[in-house]
Amino acid sequence: GAGVSQSPRYKVAKRGQDVALRCDPISGHVSLFWYQQALGQGPEFLTYFQNEAQLDKSGLPSDRFFAERPEGSVSTLKIQRTQQEDSAVYLCASSFPGYNEQFFGPGTRLTVL
Amino acid sequence: TQLLEQSPQFLSIQEGENLTVYCNSSSVFSSLQWYRQEPGEGPVLLVTVVTGGEVKKLKRLTFQFGDARKDSSLHITAAQPGDTGLYLCAGAWAGSYQLTFGKGTKLSVIP
Repeated sequence: GAGVSQSPRYKVAKRGQDVALRCDPISGHVSLFWYQQALGQGPEFLTYFQNEAQLDKSGLPSDRFFAERPEGSVSTLKIQRTQQEDSAVYLCASSFPGYNEQFFGPGTRLTVL
Repeated sequence: TQLLEQSPQFLSIQEGENLTVYCNSSSVFSSLQWYRQEPGEGPVLLVTVVTGGEVKKLKRLTFQFGDARKDSSLHITAAQPGDTGLYLCAGAWAGSYQLTFGKGTKLSVIP
């Protein structure tokens, strides 16, 4: 596709459930980023991949958060045992390596009840 | 922690007015981007500035990068309702691939 796509667009989970959020980056973009955006805030960095390698996961808020990109294209962000404070929009972005301009997907809005 | 401060946080103006949004940091950026985000969508890149003192224009939007590369501004001339949205600045520091975002300026342009 022409842009970054994310699915699902909306996810409602009961507290304690596991969720998986998917990101399809722009073809040819080897760098992939995940961000968390709380209501009324700017996006905050979670993790970064270059191809299949996760080079930085310093922004992941707890060990309940896990991201993977096994074949260097599609990425999945998994949140285990969701908590209410996990409610946010999760954004995925991709870019060429060494190039700071990132292209964002529409995000997945996660609501934990 | 490297922070970006944006001001104002909220701005409501009448159609046809001019406005300026500011983005400031105590650190030197290697580059800075401005994004616009609409409700329910991801941020969309407007411009990237790299050189201190650089000015870029995009129709009615003028972006300026400070000489010391620590601050930037976005000026909109004759605002229109279609300019309504959340304007985010995001900075990259030398040697880092991360973008650090400000909290954004929520702009409402009233017809």
